[in-house]
Amino acid sequence: DAKTTQPPSMDCAEGRAANLPCNHSTISGNEYVYWYRQIHSQGPQYIIHGLKNNETNEMASLIITEDRKSSTLILPHATLRDTAVYYCIVRGYTNAGKSTFGDGTTLTVKP
Amino acid sequence: DAGITQSPRYKITETGRQVTLMCHQTWSHSYMFWYRQDLGHGLRLIYYSAAADITDKGEVPDGYVVSRSKTENFPLTLESATRSQTSVYFCASSELNTGKGSYTFGSGTRLTVV
Repeated sequence: DAKTTQPPSMDCAEGRAANLPCNHSTISGNEYVYWYRQIHSQGPQYIIHGLKNNETNEMASLIITEDRKSSTLILPHATLRDTAVYYCIVRGYTNAGKSTFGDGTTLTVKP
Repeated sequence: DAGITQSPRYKITETGRQVTLMCHQTWSHSYMFWYRQDLGHGLRLIYYSAAADITDKGEVPDGYVVSRSKTENFPLTLESATRSQTSVYFCASSELNTGKGSYTFGSGTRLTVV
């Protein structure tokens, strides 16, 4: 099963872009990259996902490298409410039930 | 309301007792999951289910039992609770199609074993 590696913590200034990296060097061809975030002790919330093309929605952008071994979640204008733990996971048909979340990246947005 | 609900929200139990955490979803999602989250750590998969009557172990299944007789319900039972099982438990569900199937999580059950 593909595993992901994320830095344990990052800081970002309010109003600036937050760029959160994720390494998934063992990703296989049918696996998607998903990003979630967890605020305080709430259940994680879906942000965005992609296969190989860059994706954008109202919350964030996802940039996936051409070799698909890493990705970056971009929060274009971070606010204090974006302070949370961000998880990157990979999920495909062969591991549809066993995606592991790891410890994620704690993003702290500072005024 | 449609969604995924967990009950109870909080539970205190004694060591050695059996306790069952409930999870119910209204979308008819094929996949359901149980994760635990210890203080200051990420989520670890306990068990998952791909469909009714199909379950499989995750990373940390020891001491837990699951069943899925109906698509919408996925209860988690601690057969004989231990202090090390004090944690926040999250249930999640997902569509079968992993290209569309993001997880939707419940609000969690905070379990304390004394």
